[in-house]
Amino acid sequence: AQSVAQPEDQVNVAEGNPLTVKCTYSVSGNPYLFWYVQYPNRGLQFLLKYITGDNLVKGSYGFEAEFNKSQTSFHLKKPSALVSDSALYFCAVRDPMNRDDKIIFGKGTRLHILP
Amino acid sequence: EAQVTQNPRYLITVTGKKLTVTCSQNMNHEYMSWYRQDPGLGLRQIYYSMNVEVTDKGDVPEGYKVSRKEKRNFPLILESPSPNQTSLYFCASSIGGRTGELFFGEGSRLTVL
Repeated sequence: AQSVAQPEDQVNVAEGNPLTVKCTYSVSGNPYLFWYVQYPNRGLQFLLKYITGDNLVKGSYGFEAEFNKSQTSFHLKKPSALVSDSALYFCAVRDPMNRDDKIIFGKGTRLHILP
Repeated sequence: EAQVTQNPRYLITVTGKKLTVTCSQNMNHEYMSWYRQDPGLGLRQIYYSMNVEVTDKGDVPEGYKVSRKEKRNFPLILESPSPNQTSLYFCASSIGGRTGELFFGEGSRLTVL
């Protein structure tokens, strides 16, 4: 069965420093991977996705993520954090080989950017 | 404007009183899904639908029903709500196939007393 793990409940980063939010996955085949962000009292918003091709994908608000098949990871990164990046971040996986089409989310990582 | 609309946004009800949370999308998406969000548990999928008249259980379907009679609508029904269904609920939709990202509604906060 497919699964997603976000090993850190919370990540604190100083403004201007690079940030990384970690995600690892488990699927039977090649995964479709997604990152979403949730601001307070809002629904989730799509940031970026990996389907196939270049392992480094770029998304909204200057975020990028690197797909690493050998480490089964899809970490979210940004070179220089902003206070406005403070939010709850979710990684999600979709398994194209499964008969069903569940979309599984991680438990979320709360990102705090410190001024 | 492309959007997923959920109603009601907030609801307080009592145990056993049937309720329906509506969800509508205006993007002609085939795939629709319901999630609940609970502290420490992230988002868990309740039900999903890959197209009209096709619905499947997610990871936490107990106590919920859904229907997909029209492409744009995907209501979530709680026939006999219980306090453990107190949660924040999100409806989402995406294009058909498995490469599309989800578009989320703003959420419905449900409290069952």
